[in-house]
Amino acid sequence: AQSVTQPDIHITVSEGASLELRCNYSYGATPYLFWYVQSPGQGLQLLLKYFSGDTLVQGIKGFEAEFKRSQSSFNLRKPSVHWSDAAEYFCAVGQTGANNLFFGTGTRLTVIP
Amino acid sequence: EAGVAQSPRYKIIEKRQSVAFWCNPISGHATLYWYQQILGQGPKLLIQFQNNGVVDDSQLPKDRFSAERLKGVDSTLKIQPAKLEDSAVYLCASSLGPQDYSPLHFGNGTRLTVT
Repeated sequence: AQSVTQPDIHITVSEGASLELRCNYSYGATPYLFWYVQSPGQGLQLLLKYFSGDTLVQGIKGFEAEFKRSQSSFNLRKPSVHWSDAAEYFCAVGQTGANNLFFGTGTRLTVIP
Repeated sequence: EAGVAQSPRYKIIEKRQSVAFWCNPISGHATLYWYQQILGQGPKLLIQFQNNGVVDDSQLPKDRFSAERLKGVDSTLKIQPAKLEDSAVYLCASSLGPQDYSPLHFGNGTRLTVT
């Protein structure tokens, strides 16, 4: 069975600092991996996705993520955080053949001036 | 393009009452999903439709939850009777289809409080 672990419940970074949010997955086959962002009172917005090929994927808003099969990880990164990046971030793994998603518990990002 | 529309945005009911949520997906999206997001947790799939047929409802508590997607467009999710543990945000999402891993587009959700 697939599962997703986001070990950091809450992260605080200073504006302009770099960011890395951790995600570990468990899945028997090649995973389809996603990062979504959720601002307060809003739905989830897709940041980026990995299906195959280049293990470093670029997304919207300056985010990128790297798929590391040996570590079962798909960490999200951004070189310089903006105050508007404060939100909840969810990692998800897709179920093969069904196109539904299993989500992690999320990491809440706080950005301080 | 217009996004996924959900209503109402908020709903407060007492336990044992019934409630219904409505979702209008993005035009042309064949696949529709209902997710439950309990505070502090990630969204959990309740039911997935492909057009007007159910693809997966294995996580839907069928003794109290029901969902339909008549005509393969709009969908309603109903809870009857509600329990305290049903307090959550109910998210609707849609995608072009299941075979292409097309991205899920989410609505803003309905926040349900059961007292």
